[in-house]
Amino acid sequence: LAKTTQPISMDSYEGQEVNITCSHNNIATNDYITWYQQFPSQGPRFIIQGYKTKVTNEVASLFIPADRKSSTLSLPRVSLSDTAVYYCLVGDVNQFYFGTGTSLTVIP
Amino acid sequence: DSGVTQTPKHLITATGQRVTLRCSPRSGDLSVYWYQQSLDQGLQFLIQYYNGEERAKGNILERFSAQQFPDLHSELNLSSLELGDSALYFCASSVAQNTGELFFGEGSRLTVL
Repeated sequence: LAKTTQPISMDSYEGQEVNITCSHNNIATNDYITWYQQFPSQGPRFIIQGYKTKVTNEVASLFIPADRKSSTLSLPRVSLSDTAVYYCLVGDVNQFYFGTGTSLTVIP
Repeated sequence: DSGVTQTPKHLITATGQRVTLRCSPRSGDLSVYWYQQSLDQGLQFLIQYYNGEERAKGNILERFSAQQFPDLHSELNLSSLELGDSALYFCASSVAQNTGELFFGEGSRLTVL
């Protein structure tokens, strides 16, 4: 089972780029890396998923180095509405374990 | 709107009681997952079903059970409830069984008094 480690919390000013790194040293060959966003009392929402190198969509980028032992979620120009908990998730067969997540607070 | 429907949204009950939480997955999704999130806690994976069959078990207590019906909706049964069972229970669905893209419902908030 690929355990993930993320910073517990981060603060950022509005308009800045935010990078959240997740460590997953024992990631398996077939595992994908997925990031979710969760607002209080709401279900998590899929942000982005990748296997290696770089993936970009309309809301974020995901950087994965060659050894795949870590990944970085990049949020460009954050706004107050990006204040949430961000989870890094590494797929393991049929089980998807969420770590403790990173609580991001965007400051005006 | 994720397309995943959970009922009831809120439920208040007493210790020792039994409740059933219901989940309707997105149209076409065969896989259903149940998660528990207690106050200030992360998401705890409970159990997964794929096309009616149990595929994986996480940290699910013996007092809890679940099933997925032929129409693909799922129910999570919680019995002999304790105060510590108070939590948000989320259902998620996905098309396949190994994809990392899960679509979550809005959750059922259970309060045990």
